[in-house]
Amino acid sequence: NAGVTQTPKFRILKIGQSMTLQCTQDMNHNYMYWYRQDPGMGLKLIYYSVGAGITDKGEVPNGYNVSRSTTEDFPLRLELAAPSQTSVYFCASRRPEETQYFGPGTRLLVL
Amino acid sequence: EDKVVQSPLSLVVHEGDTVTLNCSYEVTNFRSLLWYKQEKKAPTFLFMLTSSGIEKKSGRLSSILDKKELFSILNITATQTGDSAVYLCAVDSNYQLIWGAGTKLIIKP
Repeated sequence: NAGVTQTPKFRILKIGQSMTLQCTQDMNHNYMYWYRQDPGMGLKLIYYSVGAGITDKGEVPNGYNVSRSTTEDFPLRLELAAPSQTSVYFCASRRPEETQYFGPGTRLLVL
Repeated sequence: EDKVVQSPLSLVVHEGDTVTLNCSYEVTNFRSLLWYKQEKKAPTFLFMLTSSGIEKKSGRLSSILDKKELFSILNITATQTGDSAVYLCAVDSNYQLIWGAGTKLIIKP
């Protein structure tokens, strides 16, 4: 039982490049989330999903896209990377009314 | 608008001291309140509280919820340097967790 896994652990992007941050969970959780956390700041919700085929915007969705074709996977897409997207990205999952489990995070640097 | 407010934002104490961290909330559709600890990585789960007045305890950490006054406290007794971290409070509301900004706790030896 690996829990929530994220790849890559670290990535450097040039301005304007695109990439996909991968997130997979093997706990059969319905709810999945993407957060970003800037240095010294709290967690900000980017997108979330309550089940396969259903996604919704969080607090800071601009510049990002998501899809949820399976229960297990919830990739986050950055289309045109900007320096403001330099951050640590956490994926998380849970069942309704249960605790939330986090992945180890992806550190992204946009130069 | 739903909000979760933690206080203090930062706290510096000496090893062996007892600390109390606060979390107040104004959230529609309250389901539970959760506490997490974050060191230099992903947050790790500490407690989930759903009922008022029932203390949850794990070693030197304990937490309690007051649903009438809309707050929770996290107590850490006999603090150790390994307790240095950011402590996050979140409220489960519908599909999302509403997060506080965290309390940064520094334990000096």
